[in-house]
This record gives sequence, structure tokens and C-alpha cells, in this order.
Amino acid sequence: QLQLQESGPGLVKPSETLSLTCTVSGGSISSSSYYWGWIRQPPGKGLEWIGSIYYSGSTYYNPSLKSRVTISVDTSKNQFSLKLSSVTAADTAVYYCARHSPGQIPFQHWGQGTLVTVSS
Amino acid sequence: EIVMTQSPATLSVSPGERATLSCRASQSVSSNLAWYQQKPGQAPRLLIYGASTRATGIPARFSGSGSGTEFTLTISSLQSEDFAVYYCQQYNNWPLFGQGTRLEIK
Repeated sequence: QLQLQESGPGLVKPSETLSLTCTVSGGSISSSSYYWGWIRQPPGKGLEWIGSIYYSGSTYYNPSLKSRVTISVDTSKNQFSLKLSSVTAADTAVYYCARHSPGQIPFQHWGQGTLVTVSS
Repeated sequence: EIVMTQSPATLSVSPGERATLSCRASQSVSSNLAWYQQKPGQAPRLLIYGASTRATGIPARFSGSGSGTEFTLTISSLQSEDFAVYYCQQYNNWPLFGQGTRLEIK
């Protein structure tokens, strides 16, 4: 059974870089056809896709966040990571990782989510 | 840029009754439309993809319809566990979610 687990600091200072890792178990991150994505949800608000990566390293990002986002993959560890730079309080959210297949299968498998608060 | 609009924002329905939730895309997304259910403190759960295909393990009381720009999620007979927030999401191009419909007990 595929499982995803987010990890990383729960508190980040304004202007710094938010860094999270998603560890995949029960399946290979190198599976063909699947992308691995990050989605966030500010407290009490809706869902926002941040970006996604293929095991080869190919990425695509939400245009509204693209200038601040970097997603990378480490196939040897079955992990992928998110970096979001120059954070502000507006970046406070629960961050989820999930698996999808663009144009074919939406986000079918999700991590449990991790709350990241931006505050000094 | 595509905009996804869900209506209503809040829907009050009694248990056992039918609930109908709507999602509109500002331009065609073909049938690349999914519905998710989210309960407090939990990750979203995929209910429907391809506009009308139930995901694995989803009860038959959940059904989806539509194509192009107009989509509907119907829950035929509401159970207590169905009261939650529902999101639609298009995946015709980069993923985009609607703002959600809160389904509450009447």
C-alpha cells in the first residue's frame, strides 16, 4: 500500500526558506507515468497546488509561485523535496505531498500533511 | 487562466436526502475533473475522477456527471459520515482546485 509522509520544520521565520521532504513507501518513486506533487492549504481555506516532479527530475510549477519554488527528487532515498523561498505569513499552511498522473489520474494518494507556520 | 467555481459555498441537507454540488470551469477541461472529500484534520480523499468514475472503495451513493465546463457531484442518500467539505479539481492542464462546498447537516 502506497504511503507518503511529509517531514520538516514546523516553524520558519519570515524571509527564510521553507524546506520539506516527502518520503514514499510501499512503492517506487521511479514508477513511470506518475508525478509527485506538493499541495498546500492555509488554515480554514482551500487547496492550492504548488508544483510537481517526475522521477527524471522534470518539474512544473504553479505560475503564481514559480519564482519562489524548487522541487527536487532523490530516487535513491525514494524521496522528493520542496523549497519555498522568501516566505511570509501568507505561506502558513498545511503542506501535503501527493501522487498524480497529469491529464490522467488526479491526486489519488496523499500524505497526512504537515503544518508549517511562518512567524518570527 | 482557468477559474474553477463551486456552488453553493454551503449546502444544508438532512441525512437520507440527496445532495447536489456544482462545479463550473471558465473554459473547457474536457472530462479531466475530480472531486475530493475533506474532513477536519484529514487530507482530501479522492472520490471521483474523469468526471464520473468512482475511485477505489468509494460507495455507489457518490456519482459525478458533466463534461466541458459544467460538472455535478451527487450524493444520493446522505449518511452522517458524508458531512464534510468537497472540492472539485481540474487536471486538464496544471492542477487547479475550486474553493470548496461545505456540506452541513440541516
